[in-house]
Amino acid sequence: KNEVEQSPQNLTAQEGEFITINCSYSVGISALHWLQQHPGGGIVSLFMLSSGKKKHGRLIATINIQEKHSSLHITASHPRDSAVYICAVANTGNQFYFGTGTSLTVIP
Amino acid sequence: DGGITQSPKYLFRKEGQNVTLSCEQNLNHDAMYWYRQDPGQGLRLIYYSQIVNDFQKGDIAEGYSVSREKKESFPLTVTSAQKNPTAFYLCASSIALYYEQYFGPGTRLTVT
Repeated sequence: KNEVEQSPQNLTAQEGEFITINCSYSVGISALHWLQQHPGGGIVSLFMLSSGKKKHGRLIATINIQEKHSSLHITASHPRDSAVYICAVANTGNQFYFGTGTSLTVIP
Repeated sequence: DGGITQSPKYLFRKEGQNVTLSCEQNLNHDAMYWYRQDPGQGLRLIYYSQIVNDFQKGDIAEGYSVSREKKESFPLTVTSAQKNPTAFYLCASSIALYYEQYFGPGTRLTVT
């Protein structure tokens, strides 16, 4: 059983669509991270959050601690958003768990 | 510019040879990490270091070794004991353990 589950695994959207990627986890956490991995392999940290909601440009991340669930939203999606989005959690015992990622393709 | 660098980008080795992957950061971060990524799989933690001269095994440390003699540097050695060394290796750093991590560009290691 994976401590971090993401859905969907693959997602194709038309440019301009609103996108939601979901992350559920089964451990107590100190923080949840959303990462973006581009086709070349490089990874960028998008958000680190432990409660509530954060917004950066067209990206919004929310977390519900009681339900052990987080969502990453992309508004007005663009082809340059095409990437793999990874959810990761740091638990209270200083362990780090990664989801297997959601592969997003945005078609012009 | 501050950042984290890994070299080389691509590395080819023969089976049975040890190989060392470089990771350097000038972000003044205390914590550093090594991850391995295989196709279709999530990142897996190999080793991490919370502070200079200290490091801990991650989930898949067997066949790997690290050192942390300087704050800026966290090299990873893939030894001949690692049974399936071909993979994409990513180094990361953060201001403190498991805070927001900054990733290097990665090294793709192929062992034949």
